[in-house]
Amino acid sequence: NAGVTQTPKFQVLKTGQSMTLQCAQDMNHEYMSWYRQDPGMGLRLIHYSVGAGITDQGEVPNGYNVSRSTTEDFPLRLLSAAPSQTSVYFCASSYSAGGLGYTFGSGTRLTVV
Amino acid sequence: GEDVEQSLFLSVREGDSSVINCTYTDSSSTYLYWYKQEPGAGLQLLTYIFSNMDMKQDQRLTVLLNKKDKHLSLRIADTQTGDSAIYFCAGGNSGNTPLVFGKGTRLSVIA
Repeated sequence: NAGVTQTPKFQVLKTGQSMTLQCAQDMNHEYMSWYRQDPGMGLRLIHYSVGAGITDQGEVPNGYNVSRSTTEDFPLRLLSAAPSQTSVYFCASSYSAGGLGYTFGSGTRLTVV
Repeated sequence: GEDVEQSLFLSVREGDSSVINCTYTDSSSTYLYWYKQEPGAGLQLLTYIFSNMDMKQDQRLTVLLNKKDKHLSLRIADTQTGDSAIYFCAGGNSGNTPLVFGKGTRLSVIA
């Protein structure tokens, strides 16, 4: 089925380890973004991209890197994991950043110990 | 920039109507959205309204927009236990500025 695919669904990391959260969409959406969801904090935007080769920072970018080499993929890299990065991460895509609604992936639950 | 505020919790009895409220600050928001998040899942677009509309109805859902007060509401008629979820309000303009989401309202439906 068409949509946004996130992998893995669950991950446990040790402090200081690095990893990449994968996000892929097959809807030819130009806009892709990463959010983290924490209790009582809602969704906070980490990084976003309005097209291949273009990325920008959101509200909480520190500790995370992104790149957008293709329209389909938008991986999120944690360089040196910290317990404060324990969260649920969502990838979302859309035809444009500001309109017509987003399609969300099912999330990656990350625990850093 | 845009700021979106919602109350965090709402509890209703099965069969009653639910009203979830949202306020926003950016009067230039072109689209206003309601998303639903069920436990363990991502957000799903529930409905949306353009800024030039006052009301939109879709089966059990009614969205009301008061542009003067920058107030958006979502009414769910005949609320069912399957409506228990977190509901997010979001606003945005067309173009390259990301949507801004509220913190979400957790709706609990009591049987």
